[in-house]
Amino acid sequence: DTEVTQTPKHLVMGMTNKKSLKCEQHMGHRAMYWYKQKAKKPPELMFVYSYEKLSINESVPSRFSPECPNSSLLNLHLHALQPEDSALYLCASSQHGTSGVLRDEQYFGPGTRLTVT
Amino acid sequence: AQTVTQSQPEMSVQEAETVTLSCTYDTSENNYYLFWYKQPPSRQMILVIRQEAYKQQNATENRFSVNFQKAAKSFSLKISDSQLGDTAMYFCALKNSGGSNYKLTFGKGTLLTVNP
Repeated sequence: DTEVTQTPKHLVMGMTNKKSLKCEQHMGHRAMYWYKQKAKKPPELMFVYSYEKLSINESVPSRFSPECPNSSLLNLHLHALQPEDSALYLCASSQHGTSGVLRDEQYFGPGTRLTVT
Repeated sequence: AQTVTQSQPEMSVQEAETVTLSCTYDTSENNYYLFWYKQPPSRQMILVIRQEAYKQQNATENRFSVNFQKAAKSFSLKISDSQLGDTAMYFCALKNSGGSNYKLTFGKGTLLTVNP
């Protein structure tokens, strides 16, 4: 099973709201990622979790707060977003090699389409 | 820094014909992976094909094959017998292996339309 699931599929929120995006995988992958994708553009990396610890933050504004409660789940907490944050948010996961090196291909979820009003 | 260049923003092909999407890249590493990802309109991004740089043999997955030219840093995707379901944005991506390399570097994408 090479499935990454994301909820919700669509989310509309005001600039003062607090909401969360959820991602789940059951492939035993220990690396998980959040990406932001604008229309007809490639995904832009936001965060990387490795063994449930935040490994990389690509200088993302603090209004985005990631969380990895366990090896299968990844959340993205949203607060005080701006209209320009409207985008497709993708979650992905990948395996670690035996040496702990992040490996190979990433498997993507279907994304959450976020609209900030 | 590594870069991936897709020089064809849009392409079209007739159903059942063959089309080739171009990708060039630059990296200072000797060991790396190359990928083609497909993202249909409003649908999930899926991996089409992968290539390890140390393998000389070109990867093939059913109707999809690559022409990997390591010296020229070229990694093109050939789609044979194009089908309507192949209509999608195609992204070429590069990932260095080893160490803490985590980042997929994407090209800007090629929007492929398969016409009936």
